[in-house]
Amino acid sequence: EVQLVESGGGLVQPGGSLRLSCAASGFTVSSNYMSWVRQAPGKGLEWVSVIYSGGSTYYADSVKGRFTISRDNSKNTLYLQMNSLRAEDTAVYYCARMVVAAAPDAFDIWGQGTMVTVSS
Amino acid sequence: SYVLTQPPSVSVAPGKTARITCGGNNIGSKSVHWYQQKPGQAPVLVIYYDSDRPSGIPERFSGSNSGNTATLTISRVEAGDEADYYCQVWDSSSDHPYWVFGGGTKLTVL
Repeated sequence: EVQLVESGGGLVQPGGSLRLSCAASGFTVSSNYMSWVRQAPGKGLEWVSVIYSGGSTYYADSVKGRFTISRDNSKNTLYLQMNSLRAEDTAVYYCARMVVAAAPDAFDIWGQGTMVTVSS
Repeated sequence: SYVLTQPPSVSVAPGKTARITCGGNNIGSKSVHWYQQKPGQAPVLVIYYDSDRPSGIPERFSGSNSGNTATLTISRVEAGDEADYYCQVWDSSSDHPYWVFGGGTKLTVL
């Protein structure tokens, strides 16, 4: 079964750090384009970051310079290292696999999400 | 950056047809994808590349895209269709790729 399972969320103080993990099963992370998408409480979806199968990475302007996306091929796991966290980073963070045709387009498989709360 | 505009809410009676719009500048030139999200759950892809349905999605769900508006159509609406729906596109117009979501539409089944 194709599945994504996130972990690592929790409560962190402003300025702190957290690393999210997303374990995949049923497919290979390194052969796919993978993203992180977040959703603040009561709000809509916001794309955060992507890693291409070739290793290129991109970030939303709101997290650039603070967040780092990576993967561990041996563990078939995607990560999001979050530094200098702010209150506005409070959200449920989803990892998602991307559909690729001519370009990485839609998100076809989603994890269940992990909650990150930034508060003192 | 590219902006997608959705109505905050749409209401429909069971058995009728619901249409949820997604507006964007010349959105007809882009591929539009739609997600359904029920409370406390992750989003589910229901339409991709404007009008294709992933396996397992009922034929009642369909999509179209032209000009400045994309539309998700749900025929013979059921109580279980009540959810938030989001449109999404890939925007390559800036210095790096970006994936943009609409603000979401809450579908209420009366």
